[in-house]
Amino acid sequence: DCVMTQSPDSLAVSLGERATISCKSSQSILYRSNNRNYLAWYQQKPGQPPKLLIHWASIREPGVPDRFSGSESGTDFTLTISSLQAEDVAVYCCQQYLHTPRTFGQGTKVEIK
Amino acid sequence: QVQLQESGPGLVKPSETLSLTCTVSGDSITGRYWSWMRQPPGKGLEWIGYIHYSGTTKYNPSLESRATTSVDTSKNQFSLKLSSVTAADTAVYYCARGYYDSRGQSEPFDVWGQGTQVTVSS
Repeated sequence: DCVMTQSPDSLAVSLGERATISCKSSQSILYRSNNRNYLAWYQQKPGQPPKLLIHWASIREPGVPDRFSGSESGTDFTLTISSLQAEDVAVYCCQQYLHTPRTFGQGTKVEIK
Repeated sequence: QVQLQESGPGLVKPSETLSLTCTVSGDSITGRYWSWMRQPPGKGLEWIGYIHYSGTTKYNPSLESRATTSVDTSKNQFSLKLSSVTAADTAVYYCARGYYDSRGQSEPFDVWGQGTQVTVSS
């Protein structure tokens, strides 16, 4: 399986400050036909299902605030929240959707400092 | 607005079969792929399997011997059965849209149900 490893497991950030979450895949998730990394980011608030934020590593879903951004470098991926808001408190996880079985990172809990 | 809703027993006895149904509204189940995921307490998400409206299925190798999915296009529903459950199968189970799009291209899971807690206990 393609193992997705996130770091850190949790982080506390002051309101208005930057939050950065890392995700590393154990295999390439680059689809050569379109040169896209098949990496998604989800946000999961307590008691709610995951919400798709970003696909293809950096493409925001409609309606997702532009303070959320994704970046990529080889098999390393980053989710950045540029200015943390109270409503961003959640668990964030990455997922690869190139290989079967689809696999998720263990999640990173983001809290307010 | 596409909505998915899981239904089924919240408590299952060890060695019995877990059965869940996902009802889709706001979208036709035909032409799409539909998946099941689960999330044990305090752990990450695990993909269980998918079903296409044509009946094509695929499962996570870790659960392949115990998982079965089916689809009922007349009711716009798809279902999951997981046999011989143990306490390790206690989790929140989610249904979701996605795996491949209608052209067979890989896609993420863009719509999720609210999830249903299933506890395995005697």
